[in-house]
Amino acid sequence: DIQMTQSPPTLSASVGDRVTISCRASQTIFSWLAWYQQKPGKAPKLLIYRASSLQSGVPSRFSGSGYGTEFTLTISGLQPDDFATYYCQQYNIYSTFGPGTKVGIK
Amino acid sequence: EVQLVESGGGLVKPGGSLRLSCAASGFSFNDAWMSWVRQAPGEGLEWVGRIESKSDGGATDYPAPLIGRFTISRDDSKNTLFLQMNSLQIEDTAVYYCATHPRGSYLVDSWGQGTRVTVSS
Repeated sequence: DIQMTQSPPTLSASVGDRVTISCRASQTIFSWLAWYQQKPGKAPKLLIYRASSLQSGVPSRFSGSGYGTEFTLTISGLQPDDFATYYCQQYNIYSTFGPGTKVGIK
Repeated sequence: EVQLVESGGGLVKPGGSLRLSCAASGFSFNDAWMSWVRQAPGEGLEWVGRIESKSDGGATDYPAPLIGRFTISRDDSKNTLFLQMNSLQIEDTAVYYCATHPRGSYLVDSWGQGTRVTVSS
């Protein structure tokens, strides 16, 4: 099974900050990595797929990078609507989600 | 617009069974590959299983710990996805989401709003 880890588990940031979240896979997943945003009581929302492709309708301040086992989600200029929990997911072999990173207000 | 509406959740005793449904609209359901994903209270997301479109074979797959207890099926005439859960355990308590995939993928591109299942005596 492919295991996914994320760091940090939580972070505090201010509006306008640049935020970076890391995701690591236990074995190579090539570019088969997605990022989701989830707000309390709501379903997750797809932000990035194939490591760096922006889902239609997602603001361009969200970007993804990485290949193999190391990946990053970057939010350039954090907005009030961005305070949420972010999950990475590998979909190379079946599906495994990371444990999440909660982005809170500083 | 893709719409996925889950139903069938509720309170069930350990060892019991429950069948969840997901009513789909806004897309060609019979061509769709579908999954269930769950989220235990305060926890992360866990893939529960996937079903191919019938035209692609209709095969199902599940994570190893759930094989034999959970079964996914579909009724394309009613645009409905099902999850049959047997021998339920307290650890199965979660919100269960219905989800769509691009063909052949495990990427989730649309989610339902979820239905809550509580396993408790």
